[in-house]
Amino acid sequence: EADIYQTPRYLVIGTGKKITLECSQTMGHDKMYWYQQDPGMELHLIHYSYGVNSTEKGDLSSESTVSRIRTEHFPLTLESARPSHTSQYLCASGAGYTQYFGPGTRLTVL
Amino acid sequence: GQQLNQSPQSMFIQEGEDVSMNCTSSSIFNTWLWYKQDPGEGPVLLIALYKAGELTSNGRLTAQFGITRKDSFLNISASIPSDVGIYFCAGLVLGGSNYKLTFGKGTLLTVNP
Repeated sequence: EADIYQTPRYLVIGTGKKITLECSQTMGHDKMYWYQQDPGMELHLIHYSYGVNSTEKGDLSSESTVSRIRTEHFPLTLESARPSHTSQYLCASGAGYTQYFGPGTRLTVL
Repeated sequence: GQQLNQSPQSMFIQEGEDVSMNCTSSSIFNTWLWYKQDPGEGPVLLIALYKAGELTSNGRLTAQFGITRKDSFLNISASIPSDVGIYFCAGLVLGGSNYKLTFGKGTLLTVNP
């Protein structure tokens, strides 16, 4: 099982702020993913990466951006947060077809 | 995108009862995964299935990869209060985008002590 970490766990910020959600994994997985999930609802893939310097947009359009400069690190950035960005953001990693999730970041934009 | 139909949407059961939930699709899958999510947490992998017909157990949990490769079920025996949560199925479509999982909408399980 992967050790995958997300910080912060909870974030409350004002509209217009720039934020970065951190995601790190210690298993050396080449594949990493970001999902957006509203409470009790399904998961929507917003970004993924199959290796360093490789990033792709997912199935759900998102104003966020990601980078993959190191294998273990896959941060997500919102340049100007809006209330519509309020959601839970889940990071996942995997070496094959199986994905392991972090605990998530609950973002609230006022 | 590909659709996964997960049912039931929610279940209310008494402690000690057995539970069964399933996922179906019109597409053929080559991997099925079952996750459990507690409120405010990330999904935790319960069981992974990689072959048609495969039956795998993890404690009181049993999951099967359907022979047609278009369905999977998860059974929980002798439920306990800590089984409460949302259960998601996820699959990798045969011939689809590599490593991008398709998720069901989840089954909310409530266990009354």
